[in-house]
Amino acid sequence: QKEVEQNSGPLSVPEGAIASLNCTYSDRGSQSFFWYRQYSGKSPELIMSIYSNGDKEDGRFTAQLNKASQYVSLLIRDSQPSDSATYLCAVPSGNTPLVFGKGTRLSVIA
Amino acid sequence: GAGVSQSPSNKVTEKGKDVELRCDPISGHTALYWYRQSLGQGLEFLIYFQGNSAPDKSGLPSDRFSAERTGGSVSTLTIQRTQQEDSAVYLCASSLQGYSLHFGNGTRLTVT
Repeated sequence: QKEVEQNSGPLSVPEGAIASLNCTYSDRGSQSFFWYRQYSGKSPELIMSIYSNGDKEDGRFTAQLNKASQYVSLLIRDSQPSDSATYLCAVPSGNTPLVFGKGTRLSVIA
Repeated sequence: GAGVSQSPSNKVTEKGKDVELRCDPISGHTALYWYRQSLGQGLEFLIYFQGNSAPDKSGLPSDRFSAERTGGSVSTLTIQRTQQEDSAVYLCASSLQGYSLHFGNGTRLTVT
């Protein structure tokens, strides 16, 4: 199975700072990329998708994609304690609709 | 319903017993997915349905696992002769198109 790699964290940032979450993927043919957020004890929810190289902004969230480097990232500006969660990178690959990384746990300290 | 509904929410079973997990997707969603998540681990893909068909069953961990979907709606995941390593949260998701998956609250399976 193709792989999606993330640093497990925890990543701790102070409130108001920028949180940077990174993800690499192995399937060079992947064309779409997704970030899901999972609060402790809850199910994942989609927060961002990106399909083209470059940046895509949605409110405080920016997804960045570099297909040549097989790298996708998520920036969270003005981080809030409510952003504390596990962030899952997901990539369609081969016959698997979405391959998820193991997630990066983010902790925003007030 | 408003979201993906899974039942039961919790299931404790003895090793060797069979269990059946149910998923009721969002009305009109044609694609349905099963994943499982072990404690502290990522989501492991099991199987997905497009309509009533499962194009690829290779994600199922063993032949003890099977799934079906009828009428393009409700799906059941069956685990026969459960083992302790089957203990996990089983998540069902549905989507209308693309990969905007809407997840249910999951079934927490504990095999004792």
